[in-house]
Amino acid sequence: DTAVSQTPKYLVTQMGNDKSIKCEQNLGHDTMYWYKQDSKKFLKIMFSYNNKELIINETVPNRFSPKSPDKAHLNLHINSLELGDSAVYFCASSPRDGDYGYTFGSGTRLTVV
Amino acid sequence: GNSVTQMEGPVTLSEEAFLTINCTYTATGYPSLFWYVQYPGEGLQLLLKATKADDKGSNKGFEATYRKETTSFHLEKGSVQVSDSAVYFCALSDRARGNKLVFGAGTILRVKS
Repeated sequence: DTAVSQTPKYLVTQMGNDKSIKCEQNLGHDTMYWYKQDSKKFLKIMFSYNNKELIINETVPNRFSPKSPDKAHLNLHINSLELGDSAVYFCASSPRDGDYGYTFGSGTRLTVV
Repeated sequence: GNSVTQMEGPVTLSEEAFLTINCTYTATGYPSLFWYVQYPGEGLQLLLKATKADDKGSNKGFEATYRKETTSFHLEKGSVQVSDSAVYFCALSDRARGNKLVFGAGTILRVKS
């Protein structure tokens, strides 16, 4: 059973399109995150939700909008895609206590052409 | 703000060589510290962690000790294998900001047979 699952694994789309990435966790964790990994492997947090409530919203263009319908799901919608949005996007989850670390999904590779 | 600095890679070793990947951090308070590993095409996996000063985390032959006096959490392994080739990330948990994980830039490890 996959603990944190993301779909799709690959996404190729044209500039200006709108796309969504879905994430689900079956670990019973309270908190979910979206991270962006650039071509140099650098990881940066985008958003964090705790039990459906937004708690971290880093400096991310407002074309990116997270949605958490329940604490097991955190989706990422991106409007008007740009070339610079090409990256690998990782979903992760953790218990409320940060000492346990995160469990990551396998990533979604987004390519904007 | 909180930050993590890792040695730059790539690090190239022969099989059975000794591995050290340096990691230092800057943080207010006392964060938890983590090492994550990312194999090609996969998400990040938690390798080991330490939650307080002088704790030693260990897993799969890898070790790291939380050194408050030098603000370091260096990763070591006595004898690397080709299968250890991956990207290694040091991270800290920012308890004041929703347990956000702050990552270092990652270190690529290549092990030759």
